[in-house]
Amino acid sequence: DTAVSQTPKYLVTQMGNDKSIKCEQNLGHDTMYWYKQDSKKFLKIMFSYNNKELIINETVPNRFSPKSPDKAHLNLHINSLELGDSAVYFCASSQAGGWNTGELFFGEGSRLTVL
Amino acid sequence: GDSVTQMEGPVTLSEEAFLTINCTYTATGYPSLFWYVQYPGEGLQLLLKATKADDKGSNKGFEATYRKETTSFHLEKGSVQVSDSAVYFCALRPSGRDDKIIFGKGTRLHILP
Repeated sequence: DTAVSQTPKYLVTQMGNDKSIKCEQNLGHDTMYWYKQDSKKFLKIMFSYNNKELIINETVPNRFSPKSPDKAHLNLHINSLELGDSAVYFCASSQAGGWNTGELFFGEGSRLTVL
Repeated sequence: GDSVTQMEGPVTLSEEAFLTINCTYTATGYPSLFWYVQYPGEGLQLLLKATKADDKGSNKGFEATYRKETTSFHLEKGSVQVSDSAVYFCALRPSGRDDKIIFGKGTRLHILP
């Protein structure tokens, strides 16, 4: 009955590989997000989707490509992984207008380690 | 640009001690302010919020007051428990913006029994 679930929870891979992280929410929310938490614990928004449409794309390399097949899913695909991509990636969701309350619901995070 | 600064951790306290985690912000206008908490092995969850000056947010014994004059939103609790051990994030939503929330670096709190 997890509200926002991400898979995998841990991912270790070599530089240059391509990998994906999946996210699903069962809250019926309209908006989903990807945040990146770096080694200094900074949380930065990467993307947000509302009803499968991209609404925020922060300054993120185009090696990162989000895909939202439906409003309950937002996957993150990363091409040509680099050492600097090592981080914890959090998926989150909110109700339409959820930004106005700040009520973000987060997944547990996916820890990506690039060797 | 808009930003949030919170005290560096880790903060270590004994059970029943008084807790303050400082948070100050830089933003134009009147941002909304939040505290999120991340318990071990879990995602972040909203702890409390305040949307205008002098508002006090409260939840689970935690409180924070939106101080416009000092641009602060310090988190306090009168008597902490071991179960409060977690990472706490201060955050803001810029005034007039519906598309982003900016987070502080997080403060790790350890409570000793």
